[in-house]
Amino acid sequence: GDSVTQMEGPVTLSEEACLTINCTYTATGYPSLFWYVQYPGEGLQLLLKATKADDKGSNKGFEATYRKETTSFHLEKGSVQVSDSAVYFCALSRGTSYGKLTFGQGTILTVHP
Amino acid sequence: GAVVSQHPSWVICKSGTSVKIECRSLDFQATTMFWYRQFPKQSLMLMATSNEGSKATYEQGVEKDKFLINHASLTLSTLTVTSAHPEDSSFYICSASGGRREQFFGPGTRLTVL
Repeated sequence: GDSVTQMEGPVTLSEEACLTINCTYTATGYPSLFWYVQYPGEGLQLLLKATKADDKGSNKGFEATYRKETTSFHLEKGSVQVSDSAVYFCALSRGTSYGKLTFGQGTILTVHP
Repeated sequence: GAVVSQHPSWVICKSGTSVKIECRSLDFQATTMFWYRQFPKQSLMLMATSNEGSKATYEQGVEKDKFLINHASLTLSTLTVTSAHPEDSSFYICSASGGRREQFFGPGTRLTVL
């Protein structure tokens, strides 16, 4: 079956540091890939997505590129802020996020001033 | 963006009792709602998918008689954990989807069964 594996956290960074959260997936065919973010006390929010190979999703300074050859969708940001502290989930779906989502285990990010 | 609420945000109950959790889409009509369960330090596991006015579709391994899901209107779905036991203690999250074809998530409900 489908599965998503994220790097284990927690990740602790200083403000303005570079961020990479690794995500790899196992799925047949061509799933859509997503990153969700969960801020303290709030529900998951869609951060970015990519629906086909070599697509790059981007939002709020975050980027992730759909790499079919390595089955990866790593999340990157060049300069993190304290407000980026949250839990990040990588996920895949057979269709758009309208359909069934398979999530990774989540990575806690804490950014210190 | 669209808002999804859950009530209660946390609940403690005695073993053997039933607990109902509500999921509401506040500013859009949700034709489909999803219920997830999240264990500590683990990913969200889809429990069931419900479409308004029809029976829920449960994922393999999820007991439909224990986790009753009702989606009677376009803005409300409920999850009832029947005869709850300590192993049912978990974080339950709902999401809702409507015409925008994106899932919007509620903040979750922490259930503790004593």
